Amino acid sequence: QSALTQPPSASGSPGQSVTISCTGTSSDVGGYNYVSWYQQYPGKAPKLVIYEVTKRPSGVPDRFSGSKSGNTASLTVSGLQADDEADYYCGSYGGSDNLLFGGGTKLTVL
Amino acid sequence: EEQMLESGGGLVQPGGSLRVSCVGSGFSFSNYAMSWVRQAPGKGLEWVSAIGGSGAIIYYADSVKGRFTISRDNSKSILYLQMNSLRAEDTAVYYCAKGWVSRGWFDPWGQGTLVTVSS
Repeated sequence: QSALTQPPSASGSPGQSVTISCTGTSSDVGGYNYVSWYQQYPGKAPKLVIYEVTKRPSGVPDRFSGSKSGNTASLTVSGLQADDEADYYCGSYGGSDNLLFGGGTKLTVL
Repeated sequence: EEQMLESGGGLVQPGGSLRVSCVGSGFSFSNYAMSWVRQAPGKGLEWVSAIGGSGAIIYYADSVKGRFTISRDNSKSILYLQMNSLRAEDTAVYYCAKGWVSRGWFDPWGQGTLVTVSS
């Protein structure tokens, strides 16, 4: 199975909102409510920011939110801050006991 | 605090073998499924393998099936990945992460260990 599709880059000014998309198929993103999002700083391990489409782990600001429509999931970061600048990856259960990731989106805070 | 700490990475020649390890702490290790996820230099994330809490259920990505073996020692809270017949395309940072594939999320992740396959 192919990786999920994310835009390579996204940007926004401090205080603005930005949305990152993650497109799959009916066999992965569209077929299960098991989409997750990870934030990764250069040289660091990924950190879970959204799981099961809309849920936020303890400690993640409510500026981070997730949604899904059909085969596309989205991560929205509201009230952009400088330390939101990072790479963001989506993940989805892909059926057949495997997990797929997107190619990653580099978020730049202008 | 839940933590994972990987070790065992290094430089290996094509066709060679290497075993990486991951020690879990701050949680009841045997109660949780674990996975290995890798990231090639400058590239995205790729799920590699998963193992259930007891070790009875195991899954592999097609890219490593038949070459890699995942295992765990719950008495020591250690997760292993034995990598054989290594190829240049296996060069990556290997992360261990707590969580089950069918739930679609992993948390937390270790800091990773770099495996370089090169002659």
